[in-house]
Amino acid sequence: SYELTQPPSVSVSPGQTATITCSADRLENKNACWYQQKPGQSPVLVIYKNIKRPSGIPARFSGSSSGNTATLTISGTQAMDEADYYCQAWDSSTAVFGGGTKLTVL
Amino acid sequence: EVQLVQSGGEVKKPGESLKISCQASGYNFAAYWIGWVRQMPGKGLEWMGIIYPGDSDTKYSPSFQGQVAISVDKSISTAYLQWNSLEASDTAIYYCARRVTEYNFGYPYYFMDVWGKGTTVTVS
Repeated sequence: SYELTQPPSVSVSPGQTATITCSADRLENKNACWYQQKPGQSPVLVIYKNIKRPSGIPARFSGSSSGNTATLTISGTQAMDEADYYCQAWDSSTAVFGGGTKLTVL
Repeated sequence: EVQLVQSGGEVKKPGESLKISCQASGYNFAAYWIGWVRQMPGKGLEWMGIIYPGDSDTKYSPSFQGQVAISVDKSISTAYLQWNSLEASDTAIYYCARRVTEYNFGYPYYFMDVWGKGTTVTVS
């Protein structure tokens, strides 16, 4: 089965850049999405098709993808960005989520 | 406004059956796939399956095939997730989400743009 690998945790200081990776075979071809989930809330789509940002998502969120790795970058990280982040990709007819990364803003 | 409204939390005993719902509004329900996602306590998101309300075409994650049933009632714009015999390990929050399909040079790509608030299922 297709698996997406994320680091369990990432820490960043306020105002700095946070980088969260997601790795899997041929991931660049699978149009990865990223979701943000804050405690007690539903997931929110922050990036789709590797690099696109839905309306309403701040411009400090960006995505990229190359080879086997998709990356979510948060520039000028704010305290409100502290959350769990999940990558997702579609393999054939089924979707797969990464294990999630807890972003801590210290 | 596009919304997915999920049914309220449930407390059930092992062996009991359950059907939870996800009612859509604000868009053409028949035209978008609806997916279900599980989140066990303190754990990550797990994709369970997806259904196309237009023709009830359904696809399951191998991990959930045979364990749950996904269905829809187009007349009331509602999708369902059902268990015949619950187990304690089914304790989780269950989210429904709308899947959007777009195309890039003729190739589809997908994303889940609107999510319900989740239904908490406790089996004990």
